[in-house]
Order: sequence, then C-alpha cells, then structure tokens
Amino acid sequence: QKEVEQNSGPLSVPEGAIASLNCTYSDRVSQSFFWYRQYSGKSPELIMSIYSNGDKEDGRFTAQLNKASQYVSLLIRDSQPSDSATYLCAVTGNAGKSTFGDGTTLTVKP
Amino acid sequence: DVKVTQSSRYLVKRTGEKVFLECVQDMDHENMFWYRQDPGLGLRLIYFSYDVKMKEKGDIPEGYSVSREKKERFSLILESASTNQTSMYLCASSFGGARNTEAFFGQGTRLTVV
Repeated sequence: QKEVEQNSGPLSVPEGAIASLNCTYSDRVSQSFFWYRQYSGKSPELIMSIYSNGDKEDGRFTAQLNKASQYVSLLIRDSQPSDSATYLCAVTGNAGKSTFGDGTTLTVKP
Repeated sequence: DVKVTQSSRYLVKRTGEKVFLECVQDMDHENMFWYRQDPGLGLRLIYFSYDVKMKEKGDIPEGYSVSREKKERFSLILESASTNQTSMYLCASSFGGARNTEAFFGQGTRLTVV
C-alpha cells in the first residue's frame, strides 16, 4: 500500500463545475497536509495547506481534513480552464519530510 | 520573494559520467530535499537534509549521494550516471523543527543520460 494515495484520474469537469480531488494516507502521526498544483513542464506550487480537522477555504479552493479517516480532499469551485493541471497531495510527518501522492490530472473543459 | 534555484534547467550527460546537480535557497530553510519525477511514478524522494552536514536517505537513494556543506546549498551527485537516471530532478526546501511549513520547489533540472 502506498503511503499517500490519490484518486487516479484523469478527472475532467466542465467549466464552472466543482472538481473534487481526494487523498488518503497511511501514517497516523502525519501532521501537515498540503495540496500542490503542477502545470505541465513546471514545478509544483502550493495552493492549500491544512493542519487540523475540518475545512479550510481560500477563494475557490476548500481543503478538508479528517484525521480519523486519514483523508484529505480538495474542492475547486467554479472550475476554470486555467485550473487544468496535475494536483499533488503531500503529507508531512514530524521530521518535516513530505511524502507525495502520484497526482491527479484535472482537465477543465470550456 | 522566496527562491530555490537549481543550477541547470536541462542537462545531457554520458553514461558513466559523474554528475553534479546544485540547488541554492535564500529562505534560511533548515530542510532541503531532492526528488525525481517520472511519468506515472509521481515525486519520489531521493535524499533529504535537515541541517548542515546532516542527511537521510529517501525512498530511492541507490546510485545517488548528496552534500550539504552550507545551509543554503544542497548538491545531488550521480556517481556514475546511467540511462535509468534520465528524469526530472526537483530540489525543494522548507522550514524544519515544529513548523512543518510547505516545501518550495526549484524550477527543476531535466537530465538526460545517453
């Protein structure tokens, strides 16, 4: 079993729809959780971080964390073609080392 | 503006060569990382360093070594390059200790070994 698993994708949604990205992790002592966006040929860039159970909203993005279920999700509301990218879930333990999922590729169709 | 800079964007090396990939960060981060990224395999950790001269093996350290003589610089060394080390290499840095902040990535080095 991989330490961090993401829904395999690819995911395709129409413009204006909600995109839902999911991630599960195996290490219960994980402390920090991040979502990165990576455009083709570019480096990952942080879009959301979440550290405690519940929801965290930032503009069109909402991250959800459930430590009991070892589950993190990212919702993108009013999806835009510019949101088309690969989204990486990362989980960090107390040593500061991040483990990444394989990523989910999202395509938003105009 | 935070910055992680990798020495080369593209690199072509011959099989058997010793290859150095350099990474410099200007954020006074304790942690530095080297990942490789391959299609379908995601980001895999090669080595990470949590302090000067300190290093830990990641998931795929075989064929690689690292050096961190100064806090801002973390080097990845391919002792004898092989074709299966053709990949995108990404350096990242983050604060250490209890802060657990996000990682900032360099622009990546696409290495081709022929």
